[in-house]
Amino acid sequence: AQTVTQSQPEMSVQEAETVTLSCTYDTSESDYYLFWYKQPPSRQMILVIRQEAYKQQNATENRFSVNFQKAAKSFSLKISDSQLGDAAMYFCAYSLFGNQFYFGTGTSLTVIP
Amino acid sequence: DAGITQSPRYKITETGRQVTLMCHQTWSHSYMFWYRQDLGHGLRLIYYSAAADITDKGEVPDGYVVSRSKTENFPLTLESATRSQTSVYFCASSGGEGTGELFFGEGSRLTVL
Repeated sequence: AQTVTQSQPEMSVQEAETVTLSCTYDTSESDYYLFWYKQPPSRQMILVIRQEAYKQQNATENRFSVNFQKAAKSFSLKISDSQLGDAAMYFCAYSLFGNQFYFGTGTSLTVIP
Repeated sequence: DAGITQSPRYKITETGRQVTLMCHQTWSHSYMFWYRQDLGHGLRLIYYSAAADITDKGEVPDGYVVSRSKTENFPLTLESATRSQTSVYFCASSGGEGTGELFFGEGSRLTVL
């Protein structure tokens, strides 16, 4: 079975600073998808960023970027210029074919004004 | 509006009662999923469906029943609710292989007394 590990249950960051959330995964496949989802207090799950394993280039979406290390099976999320609205639970997820998704246990991010 | 909707959003029931959580999507996505979210466990897959009339167990299927007679609907039934089934339940859908993204409903908070 695939596993996704988020080793940081809680993180905090000062507003306007940068924070990195860690994620590792276990797979024997060579092509797959990786995701970061954000869950604010509203409970809605929001896709933050997606990475396709065959792409060497790290994905970027505005202030959000990833550090994808395929050999190390690591997929960290960097949030730059943190804003109060970034406070949320963040989930790392893995999918092989888009029909099975495996999630980590989440990292709760607090943004300090 | 297009999207994925769940009902009810909140439900309180008693041990032993039958409860059905509804899920409807308007994208004609082939894959649909039910997850439960519990503190410290992240999201765990209960059941999923690859198409109408095709369902399969996930990680934690015991005590749950699903059906999918139409592509757009994927109800989850707790036949005899137990306190351990108190949780937040998320329905999600995906276009399947190659699309790589999971779309979530807003979640249903179920409390079993």
